[in-house]
Amino acid sequence: EIVLTQSPATLSSSPGERVTLSCRASQTVGKYLAWYQQKPGQAPRLVIYDTSNRATGIPARFSGSGSGTDFTLTISSLEPEDFAVYYCQQRAHWPPLTFGGGTKVEIK
Amino acid sequence: QVQLMESGGGFVKPGESLRLSCAASGFTFIDYYMSWIRQAPGKGLEWVSYISCSSSNIEYGESVKGRFTISRDNAKNSVYLQMNSLRADDTAVYYCARAGRCASDVGPFDIWGQGTMVTVSS
Repeated sequence: EIVLTQSPATLSSSPGERVTLSCRASQTVGKYLAWYQQKPGQAPRLVIYDTSNRATGIPARFSGSGSGTDFTLTISSLEPEDFAVYYCQQRAHWPPLTFGGGTKVEIK
Repeated sequence: QVQLMESGGGFVKPGESLRLSCAASGFTFIDYYMSWIRQAPGKGLEWVSYISCSSSNIEYGESVKGRFTISRDNAKNSVYLQMNSLRADDTAVYYCARAGRCASDVGPFDIWGQGTMVTVSS
């Protein structure tokens, strides 16, 4: 099973700041890494798929990069609606499809 | 619009059963893989099960294997999760999600339902 480790667990930041979230895989997942955003009481929403492709309706301030085992999600300038929990997920080697433990982006 | 809507959650005792349903609309259901994903209270996301378009390929997470059964009815645009021998650690919000076109490999979860809560407690 591929284990995804996200860091940091919590990131405190202010609107307008640039933030970078990390996801490390226990073995290579190629490009098959996705990111999801989840706000309290809501279902997750796909943000980035296949490392760097923005999902439909996702603003350009979200970008993804990486390959193999190390991946990042960058939000170039935090908007108030971006404060949420972000999960990474791999689909390279499954079953099982696995998720990281999440990074909470909170207001400083 | 493209939508998934789960139903069937509730409160049950350990050892009991429950059947979840997920109704799809706004897209050609038969063309897509479907999955169930759950989230225990205050915890992260856990993939539960997957089913291919024709139901020929089915997979389960280890924690539910042998107890849960996924199925789909393409005529009704619906996917189901039959949950037997429920345990306290099955308590979670259960989401159904679209998981890519069957003409390709399983994809990311691009459409999610709002979730249905399952509580297992004596």
